[in-house]
Amino acid sequence: EVQLVESGGGLVQPGGSLRLSCAASGFTFSKYNMNWVRQAPGEGLEWISYISSSGATMYYADSVKGRFIISRDNGKNSLYLQMNSLRVEDTAVYYCARDSAIWDFDYWGQGTLVTVSS
Amino acid sequence: SYELTQPPSVSVSPGQTARITCSGDALPKKFAYWYQQKSGQAPVVVIYEDSKRPSGIPERFSGSSSGTMATLTISGAQVEDEADYYCYSTDSSGNHRRVFGGGTKLTVL
Repeated sequence: EVQLVESGGGLVQPGGSLRLSCAASGFTFSKYNMNWVRQAPGEGLEWISYISSSGATMYYADSVKGRFIISRDNGKNSLYLQMNSLRVEDTAVYYCARDSAIWDFDYWGQGTLVTVSS
Repeated sequence: SYELTQPPSVSVSPGQTARITCSGDALPKKFAYWYQQKSGQAPVVVIYEDSKRPSGIPERFSGSSSGTMATLTISGAQVEDEADYYCYSTDSSGNHRRVFGGGTKLTVL
């Protein structure tokens, strides 16, 4: 069974940093491209970052480019999101999501809440 | 930046046909996908590549795309179809941006 489990969320002050993790199991992690998608409270979905299966290629939404860094450790079956210079508007539930060969975001984690507030 | 535009809400009675639209300048060149998100749950794809339905998705869900508009149709909507629906696609400008529409709240009552 495919499982994605996010962790690392919490309360952080504006300007602070946080590192999210996503532990993958039930599939060969190193063969799949991965993403982070977030959802602010009561709002819609926002894709924020993509990383290729090898980790060689990364893409970012304009809203986080230059502040967030996506990475992965295929040996540990883990995906990461380093979030720096956090803003109040970064408050959201952050999901990791896998790309399948047919469509993007075929499996999602349960999400981890990040709250940026003073 | 690239945007996909959806109506904020659609409301139908059970058994009626619900249509949710999604407009975007790149849709003539890029596939549209539709995700269903029920309250407190992760999204699930209901239509991929404009009109294909994954296994396990009821036949009442269908998709189409023409020009700059994609449409999700739920024929004979059921109470259990009440959810938020998001269209999704990618930018055609080569900057590899992935974009969700703003979402449409479907009410079936």
